[in-house]
Amino acid sequence: AQTVTQSQPEMSVQEAETVTLSCTYDTSESDYYLFWYKQPPSRQMILVIRQEAYKQQNATENRFSVNFQKAAKSFSLKISDSQLGDAAMYFCAYGVINNDMRFGAGTRLTVKP
Amino acid sequence: GAVVSQHPSRVICKSGTSVKIECRSLDFQATTMFWYRQFPKKSLMLMATSNEGSKATYEQGVEKDKFLINHASLTLSTLTVTSAHPEDSSFYICSARTENTEAFFGQGTRLTVV
Repeated sequence: AQTVTQSQPEMSVQEAETVTLSCTYDTSESDYYLFWYKQPPSRQMILVIRQEAYKQQNATENRFSVNFQKAAKSFSLKISDSQLGDAAMYFCAYGVINNDMRFGAGTRLTVKP
Repeated sequence: GAVVSQHPSRVICKSGTSVKIECRSLDFQATTMFWYRQFPKKSLMLMATSNEGSKATYEQGVEKDKFLINHASLTLSTLTVTSAHPEDSSFYICSARTENTEAFFGQGTRLTVV
């Protein structure tokens, strides 16, 4: 069974600083996708970034980037130049094509002004 | 990105009654939709996978007769909580997958059973 582990229940970062959220996963599949979702107080799930496992290059989306270590089954999210609007719950997720997604327990990110 | 609309966003019902939640993909056809339940300050727990035109696949521990799922068309899936009780109060979220595997989520439904 695939599992996703987020070992940081809460993280805090100063505005304009950089923070890294950790995620590890376990799978026997070779072709899969990894995602980071943001859930603000509105509880709407928002896709932040995704990574295809077959791609070696780390995905980036503006201030968001990932460090994907396939052999170590690690998928961390780096948020640069943190903004107050980045405060939210962040979920790491794993998915295989045509199947459901599995989510980690989440990390609550606080951004201090 | 694709849009998934979930309705209602909030609902209060009396214990013993049933309530239906709709999940619609507005600008794409979703052959598969997923229903999640989220407890306060917890992660999303998959309840069932809904496939258009066939019976839903439920996760272990989820009561099929309690949570009725229907996927009548490529753009609509419904979750009916039957004979609701206070312990069914929760936040329910649906998602629909595209062929690229990216999941798009509905806004969620907060169910309160009184």
